[in-house]
Amino acid sequence: QVQLQQGGAGLLKPSETLSLTCSVSGGSFSAYYWTWIRQSPGKGLEWIGEIDFSGTSNYTPSLKSRVTISVDSSKNQISLKLTSVTAADTAVYYCAHEVGGIDYWGQGTLVTVSS
Amino acid sequence: AIQMTQSPSSLSASVGDTVTITCRASQGIRSDLSWYQQKPGEAPKLLIYSASSLQLGVPSRFSGHGSGTDFTLTISGLQPEDFATYYCLQLYNYPRTFGQGTRVDI
Repeated sequence: QVQLQQGGAGLLKPSETLSLTCSVSGGSFSAYYWTWIRQSPGKGLEWIGEIDFSGTSNYTPSLKSRVTISVDSSKNQISLKLTSVTAADTAVYYCAHEVGGIDYWGQGTLVTVSS
Repeated sequence: AIQMTQSPSSLSASVGDTVTITCRASQGIRSDLSWYQQKPGEAPKLLIYSASSLQLGVPSRFSGHGSGTDFTLTISGLQPEDFATYYCLQLYNYPRTFGQGTRVDI
């Protein structure tokens, strides 16, 4: 049973960098894809990007210039960084595990961007 | 990017009804589609993967069909706990893309 525990700051000012972590326990950290998804208040789900154990990553084009997903296999941890945030980046951010479908999700972190 | 168009965006139903939600891809995605249920304040939950495979622990009243560009999620005999928002997601290529969601309420 894979468990994902998210951490990171929930309140940012415009132009700051969003930084979230996701600690993985259970399962095989190296076997699958690790994904970040966000959901703006009252809106639908938006796929941000994904990384595998080798460090190969893919990002959604609209965020690609500002986003970095990385993996620290020594800590079984995945990280998300999003630079130059604006109010439009206010959302609940989820880390998740993908194999065929997205079967395990973190608890979600509400990140609010406000001056 | 592949666009996923879900319909309807919302629907009203009663306990015991059978409801069907449709997801259409802007290009063929084989069977690389999954369905999710989300309740307010919760993370989404995987219901169906590979278009028609039921995730372990999901009730059999949920079923998925389709391949290529047209997909359906059917809930046969709606239960009170099924009132939620449902999303499709294509995993055929990058970027992954979600449908806009279908809200099922009373």
